[in-house]
Amino acid sequence: AQKITQTQPGMFVQEKEAVTLDCTYDTSDPSYGLFWYKQPSSGEMIFLIYQGSYDQQNATEGRYSLNFQKARKSANLVISASQLGDSAMYFCATYSGNTPLVFGKGTRLSVIA
Amino acid sequence: SAVISQKPSRDICQRGTSLTIQCQVDSQVTMMFWYRQQPGQSLTLIATANQGSEATYESGFVIDKFPISRPNLTFSTLTVSNMSPEDSSIYLCSVDRGSGDEQYFGPGTRLTVT
Repeated sequence: AQKITQTQPGMFVQEKEAVTLDCTYDTSDPSYGLFWYKQPSSGEMIFLIYQGSYDQQNATEGRYSLNFQKARKSANLVISASQLGDSAMYFCATYSGNTPLVFGKGTRLSVIA
Repeated sequence: SAVISQKPSRDICQRGTSLTIQCQVDSQVTMMFWYRQQPGQSLTLIATANQGSEATYESGFVIDKFPISRPNLTFSTLTVSNMSPEDSSIYLCSVDRGSGDEQYFGPGTRLTVT
């Protein structure tokens, strides 16, 4: 069974600074995917970034990058140049094979002006 | 990306009643999923909605309480039956285009049961 651990219930970051949100995963399947989602107070889940277990390069999408360290089973999200609109819950998730996504408990990010 | 709509976006219901939530996708998808997010919690999978067959439910969720329909490859419904205040949650549908690296969510239905 897969498992996602997000150890930071809440994080604060100054506007325009970079922030790293931690995520570790556990899976026995050699082929898996890792996702990060943003959930603002409206409740919608916004897809941010995806990393496949066989991808050689770390995934990047605009200001988001995924620091993938396979040996450590970690998939940290890095947000550069934080903006006030980045304040939200952030969820790390994984899947393998035909299994649906398994989510971590989330990290609440607050960006301070 | 996939464009996913859900109806209703929110509702306030009385205990003992039922609510049907609709999920519509702008293109055909193989897999559709229904999640529940209780207040302050993470997402929990309710079931996988398969076109042309019965939904597959996760442990702790039963068809009598959460009946699901999947009449075609772009549409699904989730019914929350005989509601109690513990059913107050955000309900989200999600789709997988089949490649595994694209899993998108609808905007969610915020349900309050009084």
